[in-house]
Amino acid sequence: SQTIHQWPATLVQPVGSPLSLECTVEGTSNPNLYWYRQAAGRGLQLLFYSVGIGQISSEVPQNLSASRPQDRQFILSSKKLLLSDSGFYLCAWSVLRGRETQYFGPGTRLLVL
Amino acid sequence: KQEVTQIPAALSVPEGENLVLNCSFTDSAIYNLQWFRQDPGKGLTSLLLIQSSQREQTSGRLNASLDKSSGRSTLYIAASQPGDSATYLCAVRQYGNKLVFGAGTILRVKS
Repeated sequence: SQTIHQWPATLVQPVGSPLSLECTVEGTSNPNLYWYRQAAGRGLQLLFYSVGIGQISSEVPQNLSASRPQDRQFILSSKKLLLSDSGFYLCAWSVLRGRETQYFGPGTRLLVL
Repeated sequence: KQEVTQIPAALSVPEGENLVLNCSFTDSAIYNLQWFRQDPGKGLTSLLLIQSSQREQTSGRLNASLDKSSGRSTLYIAASQPGDSATYLCAVRQYGNKLVFGAGTILRVKS
């Protein structure tokens, strides 16, 4: 069966510090991978998606970047965090070129102080 | 630009009551619509997925309907239980396999 992992689960970082959040998927190959952010009281906002290694599409201009160094690994990064980067970050995967459901990880709660 | 709206934003009902959550979307060019459940501080769990050619889907006490032409979907929960308390999110899938989410409905079922 497929599983998706995210770490860390919770992170508190000062403004201006770097960020690296990791997402890995097990039990599937060539997945579509997604990073979402959920701000308090708001819906999920798609940040990045990837259809393959090294292929990243950005949905919203911002302070963040994403990379996919391996087929089942998706990393969200920032060189300098802003207060507005606080939120709940969710990684998801789906079947490549499929129209079926996306499967979500447990999320990382980021607080920037 | 697709916009998804969920009404109400929050709902509190006594145990055993039947309830309806509403979702509307502005662009009817969708592949499908999905309802998710999110427990506090957790990821999302898919509840029901309705393809654009379908009118409804059922799973246990849950029934979701889709009226694509009017841009509306409802999630019906029968005989609600305290364990149903969570945030319910509606999302539409557009070209490129992208999901556009509503802000969610926070449901509390009181025992």
